[in-house]
Amino acid sequence: QSALIQPASVSGSPGQSITISCTGASRDVETFNHVSWYRQSPGQAPKLTIYEGTKRPLGVSDRFSASRSGNAASLTISGLQAEDEATYYCCSFETNVLTWVFGGGTKLTVL
Amino acid sequence: QVQLHESGPGLVKPSETLSLTCTVSDGPIRHYYWIWIRQPPGKRLECIGYVDHNGNTNYNPSLKSRVTISVDTSKSQFSLSLRSMTPADTAVYYCARSPFFDFYFDKWGPGTLVTVPS
Repeated sequence: QSALIQPASVSGSPGQSITISCTGASRDVETFNHVSWYRQSPGQAPKLTIYEGTKRPLGVSDRFSASRSGNAASLTISGLQAEDEATYYCCSFETNVLTWVFGGGTKLTVL
Repeated sequence: QVQLHESGPGLVKPSETLSLTCTVSDGPIRHYYWIWIRQPPGKRLECIGYVDHNGNTNYNPSLKSRVTISVDTSKSQFSLSLRSMTPADTAVYYCARSPFFDFYFDKWGPGTLVTVPS
């Protein structure tokens, strides 16, 4: 299985924007479309935040966006709010083994 | 609104078999994959494997020799069996759902902590 690499932590002040990278998540457009992002608060199950590379589920703020650059996928949160504090995981479906692999998670701190 | 909920023992002895069940409420079993995912304390999420309503399965290669996932459509349940448990299998175990032909988890259970003492 491929490893997805995320920074362990990122921080920003309220109102600022931050970006979380996920290296290894995109070899091509097709694999990028297999990328999803999840936010997890302590003691809770992960929650879908981005799917199919760039799409937002109903109810997720448009402050959350995602993109691709080379072999990396990225999640951007603009207009940071205290409620955005959580750990964010990227995930990709690996077609060679027909299963999913997750990144190590990035803890977001809003200063 | 569909809900998923895991049930099973919170403590399993080394070398024994873990059996967990996920009950799907207020939603269909067909047209989805049903997945087991675990998260050891302080570590990343790991996909264990998944099943569809016909009982077709696929497992994480690293766990394949110890895992069986099955589905009971009459009860709207799917189950996980993980054999030869060790302390390294201590984790929160989640069940989740993925729509057919899509590659994301749109519903999750709340998770259940399973501890294997050393």
